[in-house]
Amino acid sequence: GAVVSQHPSWVICKSGTSVKIECRSLDFQATTMFWYRQFPKQSLMLMATSNEGSKATYEQGVEKDKFLINHASLTLSTLTVTSAHPEDSSFYICSALGLDYNEQFFGPGTRLTVL
Amino acid sequence: GQQLNQSPQSMFIQEGEDVSMNCTSSSIFNTWLWYKQDPGEGPVLLIALYKAGELTSNGRLTAQFGITRKDSFLNISASIPSDVGIYFCAGHRGGKLIFGQGTELSVKP
Repeated sequence: GAVVSQHPSWVICKSGTSVKIECRSLDFQATTMFWYRQFPKQSLMLMATSNEGSKATYEQGVEKDKFLINHASLTLSTLTVTSAHPEDSSFYICSALGLDYNEQFFGPGTRLTVL
Repeated sequence: GQQLNQSPQSMFIQEGEDVSMNCTSSSIFNTWLWYKQDPGEGPVLLIALYKAGELTSNGRLTAQFGITRKDSFLNISASIPSDVGIYFCAGHRGGKLIFGQGTELSVKP
């Protein structure tokens, strides 16, 4: 149990386009989902925390208008990178915290490359 | 953002050797966790520590929650090639995880 999936696993897009990444908890309900960004050879940096049905809370320095987060249901959160630029190229990882668990379960990540 | 100080940054060891890595922080954490991340994957939880002084094992892995609640270490005994990867410590506070910089482990057969 406690599986988190992400889609797509990788995406290549042109500069200026928007990209949507989905994070799903497959076998549990996630009251809270987290979005992280990881650059090569670096640590995971928390971008935002999203609770189902409410607005996401963004970490300092993360532009909420650029990284749109929607947590519309207890099993799905989406991250949309708007007007992507090459510097947004990174590995985006989500995690989910369930009602019956006291740990975050991580998705497999999405590799975004902006040309 | 705040990070934990994790060391060493990388290790190159021979198969069968023991490994030790640690994390320190200037702030107290309620929970310490250790994760392993393989290339192109998300991190996987190895060990969670909930009480100061707690020593927990998971197979060949042993981790301890420092008595001051500001540090933790992870030991891997008798390393094998599949131990290769990046190990992260993480502290839990205020509903969030704060990650260390990672220790990249290479194991030579």
